[in-house]
Amino acid sequence: GQSLEQPSEVTAVEGAIVQINCTYQTSGFYGLSWYQQHDGGAPTFLSYNALDGLEETGRFSSFLSRSDSYGYLLLQELQMKDSASYFCAVWEYNTDKLIFGTGTRLQVFP
Amino acid sequence: GAVVSQHPSWVICKSGTSVKIECRSLDFQATTMFWYRQFPKQSLMLMATSNEGSKATYEQGVEKDKFLINHASLTLSTLTVTSAHPEDSSFYICSARTAGGGNTEAFFGQGTRLTVV
Repeated sequence: GQSLEQPSEVTAVEGAIVQINCTYQTSGFYGLSWYQQHDGGAPTFLSYNALDGLEETGRFSSFLSRSDSYGYLLLQELQMKDSASYFCAVWEYNTDKLIFGTGTRLQVFP
Repeated sequence: GAVVSQHPSWVICKSGTSVKIECRSLDFQATTMFWYRQFPKQSLMLMATSNEGSKATYEQGVEKDKFLINHASLTLSTLTVTSAHPEDSSFYICSARTAGGGNTEAFFGQGTRLTVV
């Protein structure tokens, strides 16, 4: 099975940079995804890493190191609207299920 | 991007009654749909995986007789919470993907907030 651990909460101010880590124990997965979820809403896809290294999408970047069982989401130039919960997730190899991490609640202050 | 429509967005029901939640893929054929449950300030917990035309696969600890899943077509899956109790109150979210494994993106419905009174 999969176990993906994230910090429960992160706080930052507008304009800052924040990194949300995801450490995992897994029997095998295709790649690491990141989702954003605002309160009461559905998760929205942010980024995906199939290979080790950094993927950049605008203000958001995501990193994966399979050898370290570790990934992170980097948010730059933080805005108030970035206040939300962020989840890492993996597609399991054998079952093709999408399994979510524990989630990180980001609060951005003015 | 692909659109998944989930209905209703919220429902309040009396304890002991059953509630049906629909999940439709509007512009693509979803060979696989997933149902998640999310309690406040917690992560999305996978309840079951349904493939069109076959029985759903339930995660450990999820009662299949209580949470009935039907995936009768490539665009519709339903979750019925039978004999609902207050502890079933939660946010239920469906997700759909197109054929193929690996990094196929999952598309999520808007979620259904169920309150059992």
